[in-house]
Amino acid sequence: SQTIHQWPATLVQPVGSPLSLECTVEGTSNPNLYWYRQAAGRGLQLLFYSVGIGQISSEVPQNLSASRPQDRQFILSSKKLLLSDSGFYLCAWSALGQGYGGYTFGSGTRLTVV
Amino acid sequence: AQSVTQLGSHVSVSEGALVLLRCNYSSSVPPYLFWYVQYPNQGLQLLLKYTSAATLVKGINGFEAEFKKSETSFHLTKPSAHMSDAAEYFCAVTAAGSGNTGKLIFGQGTTLQVKP
Repeated sequence: SQTIHQWPATLVQPVGSPLSLECTVEGTSNPNLYWYRQAAGRGLQLLFYSVGIGQISSEVPQNLSASRPQDRQFILSSKKLLLSDSGFYLCAWSALGQGYGGYTFGSGTRLTVV
Repeated sequence: AQSVTQLGSHVSVSEGALVLLRCNYSSSVPPYLFWYVQYPNQGLQLLLKYTSAATLVKGINGFEAEFKKSETSFHLTKPSAHMSDAAEYFCAVTAAGSGNTGKLIFGQGTTLQVKP
């Protein structure tokens, strides 16, 4: 069966420090991968999605970047965190070309920038 | 393009009462529709989905939703609320045959409070 792993679960980082969040998927090949952010009291904002290795689409301009170095690995990064980067970050995957399947989400990372 | 509107950011019901969470969608092509539930500090879990088969869809935990094309709605219901249903609920849409991306468009979410 397919599983998705996301870590760390919680993170407290000072303003100006770098960030690296990792997401890996097991049990499937060629997944579509997504990074979402939930700010307090707000809905889900799609940050990045990827349909293949090295293929990254950015949905909104921001202080973050994403990379997909391997088929089932998706990384969210920042060189210098801002206070506004605080939030709950969710990774998700879906089967390639199968929109009817919906997403499977990771358990999320709570990022607090102080 | 697709969009989703969830009517009511907060819904409060008594335990044992009917749960009704409203979702209206906009899509220029036939949609796939989804309901997800999120418990505090957790990821989203799929409750149910409509993918152009039966218009009345049954999901986990006793929830169901009905696709009404004429009303562009996909409301979520449960006959009798339990305390454990307290969570945030998200409606989402994607275009049928959306190809490689399969991007979901989410509503803003509805927080369900269940009172004893």
